[in-house]
Amino acid sequence: ETGVTQTPRHLVMGMTNKKSLKCEQHLGHNAMYWYKQSAKKPLELMFVYNFKEQTENNSVPSRFSPECPNSSHLFLHLHTLQPEDSALYLCASSQERTGATYGYTFGSGTRLTVV
Amino acid sequence: GESVGLHLPTLSVQEGDNSIINCAYSNSASDYFIWYKQESGKGPQFIIDIRSNMDKRQGQRVTVLLNKTVKHLSLQIAATQPGDSAVYFCAENGDSSYKLIFGSGTRLLVRP
Repeated sequence: ETGVTQTPRHLVMGMTNKKSLKCEQHLGHNAMYWYKQSAKKPLELMFVYNFKEQTENNSVPSRFSPECPNSSHLFLHLHTLQPEDSALYLCASSQERTGATYGYTFGSGTRLTVV
Repeated sequence: GESVGLHLPTLSVQEGDNSIINCAYSNSASDYFIWYKQESGKGPQFIIDIRSNMDKRQGQRVTVLLNKTVKHLSLQIAATQPGDSAVYFCAENGDSSYKLIFGSGTRLLVRP
């Protein structure tokens, strides 16, 4: 395991369902991210949380709703999704420090299929 | 549904040969660069990183080269093995201290 755990690993949901993806990091990092990875596009940044505060929403539709209750946990709440939302959803964390960037640690992802 | 997949550049190499994967980055302000490996069904894994005050950094069987003049980054894998087959992504930090910008990836296929 990488230190970033995502659950569930696989999820199939109907367009009218509500579900949540969970991410937990055990690395003491202070920044967490949601990325979408689909067959059509490379890694797309969705949301960034820095010290539990959302610092970026990359024009994501409102049917995706993130939540970061503390610096170790990140959720992505899903409702009324579309088939084109089927993708691999990746969570990542990093240690943000003023003046220096550090790489992300990724989770294994949740493979989401919307039917 | 989606019927067309992302066309990734593919590098096919013979087992035991050296591999070179290239990446052109976009932002002159980037001072941090990183390579990730993603195997099928898994999340991206860190391989090696480099800061702009260096032009070369070596790891175990991997070397990253940075040419800031032409904004080019490369990953060299020595004695490529079947387990190296994966998609490789480069990333840069742009003008952010915490956000990475990812390239579209290169698929490496290792022939036995």
